Amino acid sequence: IVMTQTPLSLSVTPGQPASISCKSSQSLLHNSGKTFLYWFLQKPGQSPQLLIHEVSSRFSGVPNRFSGSGSGTDFTLKMSRVEAEDVGVYYCMQGIQLPYTFGQGTKLEIK
Amino acid sequence: QVQLVESGGGVVQSGESLRLSCTASGFTFSTSGMHWVRQAPGKGLEWVAFIRNDGSDKYYVDSVKGRFTISRDNSEDTLYLQMDSLRTDDTAVYYCARESNDMGTWGLGTLVIVSS
Repeated sequence: IVMTQTPLSLSVTPGQPASISCKSSQSLLHNSGKTFLYWFLQKPGQSPQLLIHEVSSRFSGVPNRFSGSGSGTDFTLKMSRVEAEDVGVYYCMQGIQLPYTFGQGTKLEIK
Repeated sequence: QVQLVESGGGVVQSGESLRLSCTASGFTFSTSGMHWVRQAPGKGLEWVAFIRNDGSDKYYVDSVKGRFTISRDNSEDTLYLQMDSLRTDDTAVYYCARESNDMGTWGLGTLVIVSS
């Protein structure tokens, strides 16, 4: 399954919103009713960290300014108000079929 | 404290072997499937391999099939990645990640450099 993210880079003023799109080449809806789309953030010099699982569920400790939405093959990660600590590379990943696959990554910079 | 610690990386020549380890703590290792994910210098994330909690099933990305072997020792809370016939394009930071919390736990990674 090919994951395609847009844009590949983003420059945002602190306090402004931002969004990243992720499209999969096949539906990520499982016959269980769950949709296996994840969002990760890799801050500079750090390991990736899980932000969102199953499209829209925030992982423990993730601020509520992060939200995920979408269905089937089209998904979006939104940040309601970007903060300086949000800089890094954002990846979507499909977990419905092995091999799991990641998007190319979207680099977020602060203006 | 939930933690994964990778080790075993280093510099090797093309064609040589290396075994990576990932030691888990703070959760019941034997109940979780585990992944290896890698990141080449300046590149994105690439999923490499997965093993079920009991070791019964293993999956690999095509580029490492037949060369890499994922395994685990639940008595030692340790995950392994045996890498044989290494190639220069295997150069990357290798991360282990926990399946049971939706890949919510990652290690800091271990760097593998394969020189020609």
